[in-house]
Amino acid sequence: DAGVIQSPRHEVTEMGQEVTLRCKPISGHDYLFWYRQTMMRGLELLIYFNNNVPIDDSGMPEDRFSAKMPNASFSTLKIQPSEPRDSAVYFCASSLAGADTDTQYFGPGTRLTVL
Amino acid sequence: AQSVTQLGSHVSVSEGALVLLRCNYSSSVPPYLFWYVQYPNQGLQLLLKYTSAATLVKGINGFEAEFKKSETSFHLTKPSAHMSDAAEYFCAVTPPGAGSYQLTFGKGTKLSVIP
Repeated sequence: DAGVIQSPRHEVTEMGQEVTLRCKPISGHDYLFWYRQTMMRGLELLIYFNNNVPIDDSGMPEDRFSAKMPNASFSTLKIQPSEPRDSAVYFCASSLAGADTDTQYFGPGTRLTVL
Repeated sequence: AQSVTQLGSHVSVSEGALVLLRCNYSSSVPPYLFWYVQYPNQGLQLLLKYTSAATLVKGINGFEAEFKKSETSFHLTKPSAHMSDAAEYFCAVTPPGAGSYQLTFGKGTKLSVIP
């Protein structure tokens, strides 16, 4: 298996622009997670999906952030409009099921820089 | 709510020396605990996990960790450091029965290995 795939790996944009990050989970995994990693706040869970349905989006920082999962093999995280404080590394992860012992498999991340 | 504290944001060891990365948890019930490793420009990868089966857990790449309830600790060790161990290490916690989506990460410890 190719693992969790994220694109793009790097994104540089200007303040006010729309940014879309993409994720393809491991085939057969029912759960998908979006995380944000910054020096100040560490790794934070933004939102997670179960069987393509958003379950908990309480970690999404503002209404500027939205996430969708139109099918089992694709998810997007959109920021509109983007701001410099959104600069971070965004990770997508997936797990086979929702058991508390299940391993989350992380993608390589998208490094976002908002100028 | 559960949390983890990783003592030391940076740890340096000489090649061949013992690696000790500290993690203390705070939880109302004995939690499940995980160690993840992040190599430069990559996503997080599971090293090992404690799920109450055995207090001493062996993981990949020669790492192990011991769950000590009396000390609320789950420190990560490796007898002899290799240059390839240089990475950032994250401790994570989830309460039993909560589902893997309740994973809470520590701030991370960056390990440097000196030749």
